[in-house]
Amino acid sequence: EAGVTQFPSHSVIEKGQTVTLRCDPISGHDNLYWYRRVMGKEIKFLLHFVKESKQDESGMPNNRFLAERTGGTYSTLKVQPAELEDSGVYFCASTTGTGAYEQYFGPGTRLTVT
Amino acid sequence: TQLLEQSPQFLSIQEGENLTVYCNSSSVFSSLQWYRQEPGEGPVLLVTVVTGGEVKKLKRLTFQFGDARKDSSLHITAAQPGDTGLYLCAGGPRNTGNQFYFGTGTSLTVIP
Repeated sequence: EAGVTQFPSHSVIEKGQTVTLRCDPISGHDNLYWYRRVMGKEIKFLLHFVKESKQDESGMPNNRFLAERTGGTYSTLKVQPAELEDSGVYFCASTTGTGAYEQYFGPGTRLTVT
Repeated sequence: TQLLEQSPQFLSIQEGENLTVYCNSSSVFSSLQWYRQEPGEGPVLLVTVVTGGEVKKLKRLTFQFGDARKDSSLHITAAQPGDTGLYLCAGGPRNTGNQFYFGTGTSLTVIP
């Protein structure tokens, strides 16, 4: 069974540019989470999808971040326009169902905004 | 606000030694997970504990969930170089939502 995949693995962009991160969860996993780790800080929750619906987006930093999950399969996280403080590692995780505790993480996308 | 505090932050020990990592909170969690993360990879789940006082063993690793479900510990017996990595605890969900909260991690180095 394929694990959670993320693309790209690294992205370096200039301040003001746009970047789109992609996450492909494990097939059949309805729940998809986005997290971010800023250097020196803990991994922080961004949002949670159940299929194509946003269940909880309380962790999204501001309206420069837009997450979508059309069709309930893969998800994208767009940052527009990117700021320096957006730099970090963005992780995606999926679980089988709401209330399931075992999250399977992707390898992450390292975003550097210069 | 940091909901989960891990200690120690860094730990360097000799092969064969024992160690304990702590994960503490003032909040109650439905469950608590321990992950291990290696450079360039995402966290990999080691164990989930859900019942207060629960103890789970995974080979040389022993995980305990506090009676009040606010804290947890990870004990490694006879550490080996292959145990080197970043250990993360995560708690959730809570009554306030579906999100999971992570500790800052404990970076363990086991010296051969």
